Amino acid sequence: GAGVSQSPSNKVTEKGKDVELRCDPISGHTALYWYRQSLGQGLEFLIYFQGNSAPDKSGLPSDRFSAERTGGSVSTLTIQRTQQEDSAVYLCASSLELGWRGVNTGELFFGEGSRLTVL
Amino acid sequence: GQQLNQSPQSMFIQEGEDVSMNCTSSSIFNTWLWYKQDPGEGPVLLIALYKAGELTSNGRLTAQFGITRKDSFLNISASIPSDVGIYFCAGQRTSGTYKYIFGTGTRLKVLA
Repeated sequence: GAGVSQSPSNKVTEKGKDVELRCDPISGHTALYWYRQSLGQGLEFLIYFQGNSAPDKSGLPSDRFSAERTGGSVSTLTIQRTQQEDSAVYLCASSLELGWRGVNTGELFFGEGSRLTVL
Repeated sequence: GQQLNQSPQSMFIQEGEDVSMNCTSSSIFNTWLWYKQDPGEGPVLLIALYKAGELTSNGRLTAQFGITRKDSFLNISASIPSDVGIYFCAGQRTSGTYKYIFGTGTRLKVLA
């Protein structure tokens, strides 16, 4: 598609259940980022991928959180044994290139997010 | 999580007024991005800055990459009701990983 696509757009789950959130980046974008946004707050970095590898996963809150990316394209963020504090909007962004040389490289383009509510 | 200092946190202004907001960091950045987020949507890129001292405009928006490389400013001239939303800055560091760190956001409300 033309933009970053995320699914589901809304997910309500019970505490203790596992959830998977999917991100389909812009075609050809090599870098993919996951951020978390709690209600009324800013964007909290979780993890980013360059191709299929994750050079920086320092933002993952706990070992209940994991993410993978296959084929240099689709990424899945998995939250195991969800807790109420996991409730937030999970935003995915992709970028044509990493780095800062030149124009129109490194800019992040966001999807509309997946809103997760843990009851 | 890591976030940049962004101010003001929120502001109410009259339609037609100019708006200024800024973002500061203790680290040096090579890239600054400014985004606007409407309710229920993902952030949309407004302006990208790549060089210290750079001043870039996009319609009524003007942003500057601070000379120290530790700050950035966004100005909106002659505000209109559709400028309502949350504005975020994002910076990319010069070393280490290439993650973008976001500001805490400025919530703008325009009174017609």
